[in-house]
Amino acid sequence: KQEVTQIPAALSVPEGENLVLNCSFTDSAIYNLQWFRQDPGKGLTSLLLIQSSQREQTSGRLNASLDKSSGRSTLYIAASQPGDSATYLCALNPNSGYALNFGKGTSLLVTP
Amino acid sequence: GAVVSQHPSRVICKSGTSVKIECRSLDFQATTMFWYRQFPKQSLMLMATSNEGSKATYEQGVEKDKFLINHASLTLSTLTVTSAHPEDSSFYICSAYGGGSKGSYEQYFGPGTRLTVT
Repeated sequence: KQEVTQIPAALSVPEGENLVLNCSFTDSAIYNLQWFRQDPGKGLTSLLLIQSSQREQTSGRLNASLDKSSGRSTLYIAASQPGDSATYLCALNPNSGYALNFGKGTSLLVTP
Repeated sequence: GAVVSQHPSRVICKSGTSVKIECRSLDFQATTMFWYRQFPKQSLMLMATSNEGSKATYEQGVEKDKFLINHASLTLSTLTVTSAHPEDSSFYICSAYGGGSKGSYEQYFGPGTRLTVT
């Protein structure tokens, strides 16, 4: 079964710093990989989706990369802001129409 | 993106009662819906896969008689927690998959339902 690991589990940075969140997975046979944001007590907000054939996706200050051969994905957040504080979840889709396999998330705190 | 709603957003019930949670795809037809559960500070764990017009497929360890899932139409799936107990208190999230319709090939998540059993 696909295992998804996110490191670090928690991260605290001062405002303005660039940061990288890591996601590793054991089975490279994936359909796509998705990064989500979850605020406390709330649902999921999709940030970026990378198809299996893609290497990266960008949206504003966010950039996600995918390296299937090494079983890794990173989420890069540029110029972090206090409003970025949330839990970031990495999820893998093994195939179209299948359920997602989630990591445990990285809890990010950006201090003013 | 496509919109998925869940109702209610929060529910508090007494131990032994049943609670129904609705998941609706508002602007696309969902051939498949998924139900996940999230305990505090944990990740989302898949409970069951629901296909319209057929019986749900449950993950190992999930009691199908306790968590009743009905997917009667292409826009609605329901999860009923029967005879709820405090250990069922959790955050329940559904997702809907459009299979190439307006929902594209992504899964779209509902906002979640916080269930508290007293």
